[in-house]
This record gives sequence, C-alpha cells and structure tokens, in this order.
Amino acid sequence: DSGVTQTPKHLITATGQRVTLRCSPRSGDLSVYWYQQSLDQGLQFLIQYYNGEERAKGNILERFSAQQFPDLHSELNLSSLELGDSALYFCASSVREGVLSGHNNEQFFGPGTRLTVL
Amino acid sequence: DQQVKQNSPSLSVQEGRISILNCDYTNSMFDYFLWYKKYPAEGPTFLISISSIKDKNEDGRFTVFLNKSAKHLSLHIVPSQPGDSAVYFCAASTYGQNFVFGPGTRLSVLP
Repeated sequence: DSGVTQTPKHLITATGQRVTLRCSPRSGDLSVYWYQQSLDQGLQFLIQYYNGEERAKGNILERFSAQQFPDLHSELNLSSLELGDSALYFCASSVREGVLSGHNNEQFFGPGTRLTVL
Repeated sequence: DQQVKQNSPSLSVQEGRISILNCDYTNSMFDYFLWYKKYPAEGPTFLISISSIKDKNEDGRFTVFLNKSAKHLSLHIVPSQPGDSAVYFCAASTYGQNFVFGPGTRLSVLP
C-alpha cells in the first residue's frame, strides 16, 4: 500500500460527458502528479501540483483540468469526453513536509482509476 | 518525440539468471533516473533510482547502471525470481520535476 488513494476505482461514462477523478496523497506529501496510461502504452505525464499551485504541465488536453485543494487532495476534471480518453489515470505524490522540494524525490503511485468512455 | 525509450517491449529470463532491462534517453538535462515496477491492476511501485552524479546504485538484487555519455541506463536483477515478472518502467526527471516515463518492458521470469 503506497498510501495514495484514488477514487473511484472504475468509471464508465458516455462521450461528451464530464467526470472528476479524486486523489488523496500520502500524509504530508505536498506534490501531486497526474498520469494517463492508455492501452499498451507508457505513462504520460499530465500535470503536477505542489502545495496548491500548478508546478509543471505535460501533455494535458485543454478539455482536462486539475486542482489541488488546501488539504492537499487533488482532482482531475475531464470534460467533453471522447472514446480516446478511455485509459487508466494514475495519481502519484512525493515530497513530505519539511523536505526540500525538487530533487531526488521518487513518486508513490495510487492504484489508478480506470475510465471507460462508451 | 520520445525522450525516454525502452526498446524491448518484452523480455523472458530463466529463474535464477540475470535480467537486464535497458533504457535510453535523449534529454541531457535529465539528472535523476528511476525504475518502477508495475503489476497488473496496481499502480507503479518505486524500485531503485540513480542520480546523474553516480554511475551505479545497488539495492539487494537490483543494480542500476548509468552511462551518461551514451545516455543509457540499465537495470540488472540478479538472481531473477518469478515474482519479478512485471512491467518495468524507466523514468527520468530534471530537478525532480517533469518526470518522463518510458513505454515499459514486460519481464517474464520463467520457473
């Protein structure tokens, strides 16, 4: 158990809809990362938040957005869903409070949310 | 443009032998490299890492080698065990940000 929780575990929805994926980082971790893993592909970095602020942006579509709340949990919002958005979405966290951010921090991954768009 | 490449989609190794997983990268700004293992229906699990100032890091059966001039790293597992069967991802970052993952290599350790 990595200490990172994600809800829901599975999500089935229709094209054009909007969904929200939720992530709770490990206790004390300030950074949250979101990744997308499509079928038979590697992890694609979407976005990173650190202590409530956007820190880095990867291959995130404009239809997707995220935020990190004061209690450090994060939500990934996916709108105008398309069939190609079907994937596993992982959240990861790193950097405990009191540790300098940035260098040499491995990430701890949650179990993922499997999104199926029909 | 794939900045982190794992050119072998799969690898099969006999139990007890050495497994060598390879990873190549193109961005010379990467200064920290990690290996993750992933079982089906689970999130990736951190395995071992190496800073760009080192060329080797060892943790039990796992050793990561870094060749900066060749922009190449490898993960050695000795001896390989059936429980090591999983997908292995190589990842790289610059100052702890913008982690870039390779596509993964599926390792099968045969009893």
